[in-house]
Amino acid sequence: DSGVTQTPKHLITATGQRVTLRCSPRSGDLSVYWYQQSLDQGLQFLIQYYNGEERAKGNILERFSAQQFPDLHSELNLSSLELGDSALYFCASSFGAAANVLTFGAGSRLTVL
Amino acid sequence: AQTVTQSQPEMSVQEAETVTLSCTYDTSESDYYLFWYKQPPSRQMILVIRQEAYKQQNATENRFSVNFQKAAKSFSLKISDSQLGDAAMYFCAYSLIRTGNQFYFGTGTSLTVIP
Repeated sequence: DSGVTQTPKHLITATGQRVTLRCSPRSGDLSVYWYQQSLDQGLQFLIQYYNGEERAKGNILERFSAQQFPDLHSELNLSSLELGDSALYFCASSFGAAANVLTFGAGSRLTVL
Repeated sequence: AQTVTQSQPEMSVQEAETVTLSCTYDTSESDYYLFWYKQPPSRQMILVIRQEAYKQQNATENRFSVNFQKAAKSFSLKISDSQLGDAAMYFCAYSLIRTGNQFYFGTGTSLTVIP
């Protein structure tokens, strides 16, 4: 157990729908990162939050949004879902704003039908 | 552009033997961290080993060691005495110390361990 908790583990939904993925960082970590891993692909950085504020943004679609709450948990909202959004979504955490290592959660598997 | 290249999509090794996974990267910065992460069938991303670019000495973690060639921008992973539990997808990655926000990952090498 890495200490980073992601829910749900699996999610199946239809095109056009909206889903929310949840992440609780490891105790003491202030930064949360979201990554997308499509089939047979590496990890693509989506967005980072540090202590409640957006810190860095990667290749995140406009249909996607995220936030980090005062208790430091984070949510990734995916809307107007398309078939191509099917992927494994990872949350990772680190202590500082600039990470020298990332601790990953177990991922949320999203299937869009 | 920041890129990581893993030229071996698949590798296999006999149990108890040694295997080396290759990785090259491209960055114009001089200060960064390099990583190897392991992703077993459970899909959990697990840190295997980390190297600071300013350190000349190659990092080691038990049966795992790296060959870091900064000038060549090469960062290979050697797994000694391979075990069945080493079977996984291995990802090479780096992050810039200046920003530290974004980790750049390769597309992975799938390692099969043959009993």
